[in-house]
Amino acid sequence: DARVTQTPRHKVTEMGQEVTMRCQPILGHNTVFWYRQTMMQGLELLAYFRNRAPLDDSGMPKDRFSAEMPDATLATLKIQPSEPRDSAVYFCASGLPGSSYNEQFFGPGTRLTVL
Amino acid sequence: AQKVTQAQTEISVVEKEDVTLDCVYETRDTTYYLFWYKQPPSGELVFLIRRNSFDEQNEISGRYSWNFQKSTSSFNFTITASQVVDSAVYFCALSERSSGTYKYIFGTGTRLKVLA
Repeated sequence: DARVTQTPRHKVTEMGQEVTMRCQPILGHNTVFWYRQTMMQGLELLAYFRNRAPLDDSGMPKDRFSAEMPDATLATLKIQPSEPRDSAVYFCASGLPGSSYNEQFFGPGTRLTVL
Repeated sequence: AQKVTQAQTEISVVEKEDVTLDCVYETRDTTYYLFWYKQPPSGELVFLIRRNSFDEQNEISGRYSWNFQKSTSSFNFTITASQVVDSAVYFCALSERSSGTYKYIFGTGTRLKVLA
């Protein structure tokens, strides 16, 4: 049963520290998405990739956030320096090649707490 | 601009009751796709259904059914004979073909509580 995996599942850190979240998309999926979920803002799209190339990161605070896909099996989301307002659940999702028709498969999320 | 509205923030029902979750969308595209996802307490979003704008047939899957009406821009979700395991947050999402992307616009979600 193919699944999107994310590590770590939980992260507690102090303000100012660097945080790196990792995602392994489902094999064969060529689109990868990063979302942030908070009570106040709901689900927000931060960035997404197609064939490892970033297509849209307009939802991401550029000064402290960065997203990359070093290879087809790994996507990373980095926050440096982290701030308390970054506390949220970060989801990675992947999708099959094709149009907007295809559903996205979500990972279990990384719950980030910045003290 | 595209938008998805789930006006019901939270719904509580007693087990075995039927419940309908509303979703209203806005788009200028003639080709678009609508989705429902379930987020149980464990946190992971689970895909439930996809519907394209050219297919207005209602769909039934077990206790779940979906009513898509372009005339009212709605894509409502009904659970028949609800069960405690249906307790979750349900999200409706829209994806537009013209955007050339796979981006979803999510609604704010409806929290469903099914009481035993």
